[in-house]
Amino acid sequence: EADIYQTPRYLVIGTGKKITLECSQTMGHDKMYWYQQDPGMELHLIHYSYGVNSTEKGDLSSESTVSRIRTEHFPLTLESARPSHTSQYLCASSERTPSTDTQYFGPGTRLTVL
Amino acid sequence: GNSVTQMEGPVTLSEEAFLTINCTYTATGYPSLFWYVQYPGEGLQLLLKATKADDKGSNKGFEATYRKETTSFHLEKGSVQVSDSAVYFCALKRSGNTPLVFGKGTRLSVIA
Repeated sequence: EADIYQTPRYLVIGTGKKITLECSQTMGHDKMYWYQQDPGMELHLIHYSYGVNSTEKGDLSSESTVSRIRTEHFPLTLESARPSHTSQYLCASSERTPSTDTQYFGPGTRLTVL
Repeated sequence: GNSVTQMEGPVTLSEEAFLTINCTYTATGYPSLFWYVQYPGEGLQLLLKATKADDKGSNKGFEATYRKETTSFHLEKGSVQVSDSAVYFCALKRSGNTPLVFGKGTRLSVIA
């Protein structure tokens, strides 16, 4: 059982608000990821980190930002939420292994921007 | 570039039917291959994986064989249950510091 947590699970907010989606893992994993999942189920990698103070943008351009100050914590921030940000956000982590890279996923945050 | 193509859904089957979800990939080198499953309202869980050609991954009655010659990793189960209803994602991972590459997902519905 993977120990990766996301809060909140559901969030409904108005346009223009600043929000932070929390993601924490207790497995000591170096690598962490944020995905945006559209209603058609497809996953889009928006940010990833391979360690403290390391962050990279993913395949899908996103107006969100991330930080990695502690190994276990990888929050995602939207400075000014818009309806186009409405989506499911999934956080994942993996350990640095020499050959494979099994990712463990949190339960997700479903964000609705009105 | 690296990519994963899996069959489009939704797939609807009766309980105890045989399941195949096709997955093919394009990658340089020799990637590791994965199947993840997402149950309603949850995140993704690893279902099975294979790290080299001809390896067979298996779990919970599901299995998939890494076929290098056809660049495929098809998911199969001999007898599906209603509880198998979920979205299934095929994915690949190249060695080194590269992220997973996911297919678009296939929704499976099993009816009693």
